[in-house]
Amino acid sequence: SQTIHQWPATLVQPVGSPLSLECTVEGTSNPNLYWYRQAAGRGLQLLFYSVGIGQISSEVPQNLSASRPQDRQFILSSKKLLLSDSGFYLCAWSDIGGPTAYEQYFGPGTRLTVT
Amino acid sequence: EDKVVQSPLSLVVHEGDTVTLNCSYEVTNFRSLLWYKQEKKAPTFLFMLTSSGIEKKSGRLSSILDKKELFSILNITATQTGDSAIYLCAVVTFSGGYNKLIFGAGTRLAVHP
Repeated sequence: SQTIHQWPATLVQPVGSPLSLECTVEGTSNPNLYWYRQAAGRGLQLLFYSVGIGQISSEVPQNLSASRPQDRQFILSSKKLLLSDSGFYLCAWSDIGGPTAYEQYFGPGTRLTVT
Repeated sequence: EDKVVQSPLSLVVHEGDTVTLNCSYEVTNFRSLLWYKQEKKAPTFLFMLTSSGIEKKSGRLSSILDKKELFSILNITATQTGDSAIYLCAVVTFSGGYNKLIFGAGTRLAVHP
């Protein structure tokens, strides 16, 4: 069965420091991968999605970036964090095609607090 | 602009009550509608609805989609304290060459004993 991992689970970082969040998926090949942010009391906002190694698309302009160095690895980064980057970051995967392509499955999330 | 609106934003009920959560949407290139339950961390998948009028059921939870009126409802019967969670509705649209999920803000359900 497929599983998705994220780490770290929680992170407290000062403003201006760098960020690296990692997501890995097991039990599937060639998944679509997604990064979302959930601010307190709000829905999930899509930040990045990837359909393959090295293929990243950004949904919103921001000081974050994403990379996909391996098929089942997705990384969210920042060179300098802002206070507004605080939130709950979720990684998700979906099949590329077939009847389950619309379903996205989420990792456990990383709660980031920028101080 | 594509949008998904959920109501109510929060709901407090007692065990045994039946609740109905609402999700309305305005999107281009609708593909499907998904319901998720979010407790403390990751949202967990509940239902995917693609066709109007076909009820999806899982235990005490059921959901239906109306593509003419652009809404879906999620029903929970005989609620239990374990049903306390945020329920998220998301609409799948096809945009920019890929399937994109647009989420509502969620309904926070609290079930008291």
